[in-house]
Amino acid sequence: AQTVTQSQPEMSVQEAETVTLSCTYDTSESDYYLFWYKQPPSRQMILVIRQEAYKQQNATENRFSVNFQKAAKSFSLKISDSQLGDAAMYFCAYRSTGTASKLTFGTGTRLQVTL
Amino acid sequence: ETGVTQTPRHLVMGMTNKKSLKCEQHLGHNAMYWYKQSAKKPLELMFVYNFKEQTENNSVPSRFSPECPNSSHLFLHLHTLQPEDSALYLCASSQGRALTDTQYFGPGTRLTVL
Repeated sequence: AQTVTQSQPEMSVQEAETVTLSCTYDTSESDYYLFWYKQPPSRQMILVIRQEAYKQQNATENRFSVNFQKAAKSFSLKISDSQLGDAAMYFCAYRSTGTASKLTFGTGTRLQVTL
Repeated sequence: ETGVTQTPRHLVMGMTNKKSLKCEQHLGHNAMYWYKQSAKKPLELMFVYNFKEQTENNSVPSRFSPECPNSSHLFLHLHTLQPEDSALYLCASSQGRALTDTQYFGPGTRLTVL
């Protein structure tokens, strides 16, 4: 079974600084996608970034980028120039062709942004 | 974000009550999902509907009964719930069930079972 592990329950970063959130996953599939979702205090889950497993190039969306290490099954999220609005729960998630409907989530990392 | 709406946002019910959660998506999607989010646990997929047909039931107890009358609406009917069913219930939708189809989430219904 696929599992997603986020080992950092909470992280803190100062405004304008950079923070990296960790995620590891376990799978025997070869074709899959990985996602980072953000859930602000208002609770609506928003897709931040996604990575196709077959792509070697790391995905980037403005201040958000990932470090995808396929062999190590690691998928970390880097937030640059952190802003107060980045404070939220961040969930790493996995989806494969074997279970196309199902997003498997980690337990989340709560990110605090301080002045 | 108004693509996926959920009502009510908060619900308190007794164990003998019957209530329903409603989800509506305005994105023209064909697939809809119910997830349960409990504290300190990963989101759990409950049900999947594709073109109004249930395609996945993730071993959910029968006290949760989903209904999908059309591709835009999804309900979760609740009866005889237990206190451990208290959680945030999230609805999501996607264009289809392909790997490339992003799931868009609603704001959730915070359910408290007394």
